[in-house]
Formats: sequence, C-alpha cells, structure tokens
Amino acid sequence: QVPFVQSGAELKKPGASVKVSCEASRYTFANYALHWVRQAPGQRLEWMGRINGGDGNTKYSQSFQGRLTITRDTSVGTAYMELSSLTSADTGVYYCARTGFCSSYSCLAPHFDDWGPGTQVTVSS
Amino acid sequence: DIQMTQSPSSLSASVGDRVTITCRASQNIKTSLNWYQQQPGKAPKLLITSASNLRSGVPSRFSGSGSGTDFTLTISSLQPEDFATYFCLQSYNTPIYNFGQGTKLEIK
Repeated sequence: QVPFVQSGAELKKPGASVKVSCEASRYTFANYALHWVRQAPGQRLEWMGRINGGDGNTKYSQSFQGRLTITRDTSVGTAYMELSSLTSADTGVYYCARTGFCSSYSCLAPHFDDWGPGTQVTVSS
Repeated sequence: DIQMTQSPSSLSASVGDRVTITCRASQNIKTSLNWYQQQPGKAPKLLITSASNLRSGVPSRFSGSGSGTDFTLTISSLQPEDFATYFCLQSYNTPIYNFGQGTKLEIK
C-alpha cells in the first residue's frame, strides 16, 4: 500500500491557480508534517513548504511566499497545496513528502522518508 | 540558504563497478545529510540518513560517509537496478531544505 495518494495531473493557463491534494493512506496524519517539493524539468528538487498534520502550523520557502498556501483537513487525512499566479516556470512534478512534527526551528526525523507519487502540473497558454 | 553541490553531474559505469558520488555543502552541516535514489518517473527513495545510516531494507552495497561539508555515497558493486539519479539533501537548516542538483548514473 502506498503511503500517499496524490490528485491527478493538471493543465493550467498562465495566471491561474492550481490545488493539489495529498492523502495519507497508511499512517496517522496528525503525528507528522507533510512537505511539498517541486521538480521542474532539468532543475533540482525544490522545497516549497510544509504543514504539521496535528496543529496546522505552516512554513513556506521565501521563493513561494505570497503565492503558496498549504492547508490540511484532518478528517480525511489530507494536505493541500495551492499555488497561484502560475507561469510556465511552475511547470513540473509536485511531490508531497513526510517528516516528523516540525516546530518553528526544526523537524523531528527531518529526512523525507516517504513520498507521494507526484502530480504533474503543466502551465501553458 | 545552504548550497549543495554534487559531483559528478553524470557518471557512466558497468555492472559490478564501484562508484562514488560526492556532495559538498556551502557551510558546516555536521552529519545532517541524506541520500536518495530516483528512478525515471518515480518518487525519490530514501537510502541513507544522517550521512551514514542505511535505511532499513536498503541493500548493504550502498554506504555513506562524511561530516561537516564533504560527503560521499558509495555503491560497492553496481547492480542493474542501481542505474538511476541520486541526490543529496541537507536537513541541518530545517525547516528549510536544500537539495543537490543530482547525479545521473548511466550504464556504460
């Protein structure tokens, strides 16, 4: 059984927003933090931000500040990543990945031990 | 931000070869360095945590070493399933994370 189920591929026009979901199918969502990581074509993986499943606390990369919103619904064990004002540079695969609980300064078990399968987001006019 | 630089960017090798991939951090990250393997079209798979701790279930031909700014991933005897892209991740400066640019390991 896969640890996460992510929503399907998206095709968006420039300027639009996209919302991708990540359902924790195999563990207690509230005990961990879920992070979002982007892999753009030919680029290195890029950490975007994270949310604690339990308290909902979020932290965002400055690269996405103002455009990125991460939320969660504990009733369905799902985290959501919404990215606005899309450009072609946002084309890529978006992964969710798990660490332990995160405070403002650090995360428990800070390596990403389980990942979702990824969601392809394509931005094109 | 902590910059992570991997070398080489690509590498050709044969089954049975011993290969080493290097990751360098722009500042001291102690042993907060993790290694991942990624097959085409798949999510990354965690191999090694804290520079040298082999994740449960990962074959023992994989090993990691280093501390401070310089780290290595070694595959002692390449198997066909090892041809993939490998990248490092610093977890010293959490909750901010920085990845290496990746090393593509190809069959010679």
